[in-house]
Amino acid sequence: DSGVTQTPKHLITATGQRVTLRCSPRSGDLSVYWYQQSLDQGLQFLIQYYNGEERAKGNILERFSAQQFPDLHSELNLSSLELGDSALYFCASSPQTEQETQYFGPGTRLLVL
Amino acid sequence: GEDVEQSLFLSVREGDSSVINCTYTDSSSTYLYWYKQEPGAGLQLLTYIFSNMDMKQDQRLTVLLNKKDKHLSLRIADTQTGDSAIYFCAESPTSGNTPLVFGKGTRLSVIA
Repeated sequence: DSGVTQTPKHLITATGQRVTLRCSPRSGDLSVYWYQQSLDQGLQFLIQYYNGEERAKGNILERFSAQQFPDLHSELNLSSLELGDSALYFCASSPQTEQETQYFGPGTRLLVL
Repeated sequence: GEDVEQSLFLSVREGDSSVINCTYTDSSSTYLYWYKQEPGAGLQLLTYIFSNMDMKQDQRLTVLLNKKDKHLSLRIADTQTGDSAIYFCAESPTSGNTPLVFGKGTRLSVIA
């Protein structure tokens, strides 16, 4: 158990819909990262937040957005869903130290039908 | 840009050693990681190595880093069926809480 929690574990929805994925980082970790894992693209970095502010942006679509709240939990919002958005979405967290070990949550499996 | 390459499959017999290889492109990488993903599960951090080290040993795991060739390997001694999983190599391009760049993963199959 990494200490990072994600909800829900599974999500099935239809094209065009909007969903929200939630992540609680390890206690004390200030950084939260979102990654998408799909069969064809592998693990892709989406976005990072540090202490409530966006820190880095990766291959995140404009239909997707995220935020980190004062209690440091984070939400990833996916809208106008397409079939190709079906994937595993992982959240990871890390403390503010030079040693950057990221600990991953169990993931949310999203299926868009 | 950064790129991490791994072979996709590796098959070994139980009790043998497994060696999973990885090459990366960013010479400024400060940390390199190995993560394990079991079927239906998340990513578990196995081990990491700082870029000024050549080798790190942790029980059955040995990580070798050849910085000149930008080559990283993970050796698993006495491989067990429970080691069957996908192993991801990842690099951290710069220091200070930055996103990781992952390889596509090597699927290790252990034959009893």
